[in-house]
Amino acid sequence: DQQVKQNSPSLSVQEGRISILNCDYTNSMFDYFLWYKKYPAEGPTFLISISSIKDKNEDGRFTVFLNKSAKHLSLHIVPSQPGDSAVYFCAAIPYNQGGKLIFGQGTELSVKP
Amino acid sequence: DVKVTQSSRYLVKRTGEKVFLECVQDMDHENMFWYRQDPGLGLRLIYFSYDVKMKEKGDIPEGYSVSREKKERFSLILESASTNQTSMYLCASTSTGTDSYEQYFGPGTRLTVT
Repeated sequence: DQQVKQNSPSLSVQEGRISILNCDYTNSMFDYFLWYKKYPAEGPTFLISISSIKDKNEDGRFTVFLNKSAKHLSLHIVPSQPGDSAVYFCAAIPYNQGGKLIFGQGTELSVKP
Repeated sequence: DVKVTQSSRYLVKRTGEKVFLECVQDMDHENMFWYRQDPGLGLRLIYFSYDVKMKEKGDIPEGYSVSREKKERFSLILESASTNQTSMYLCASTSTGTDSYEQYFGPGTRLTVT
């Protein structure tokens, strides 16, 4: 039972354009949502998070949008750079579960020069 | 800088062997986690620990056990390795009370069971 889903396994974008990575969830009892970035042979690194009481959080080129009614969140990267090429995981934290993360399957982003 | 280290980057073991994966963090974090990453499945939680000598099962604990004797160290044990445990294993830690719930990950151990 996949509670957090990333339905696109891969995405290819031209350098300088916008990358939009999507994530859907099935459980309304999530407290926080996070995005992680992972390069091959490295551990995931935290990118950006959003509380369930907000609908947008921005950090430089990265913006996360949360649509609670649709149970959907998205990560926008503008402008995309070749160094952004990596696997992106969205993750959700259930209420009162001490920071336990539930991850999506990941989307591999390729930014072409 | 938070640092999470894992004892091996690559490991090859035979079916039936007992395997120990070690994780150490240097930021005095209370919470530690073990995940495995498989293609198309994302990261799945095996076990986690909120304190020394405490452990909780995650989503896929079967075939694994853990040990947390010291706050900074969290070990994952495969009692009798099987080929379906071939995977990337990732350890993470986080502090209780953090605002963003960010978990810090180690570099991972690529385990192959033959």
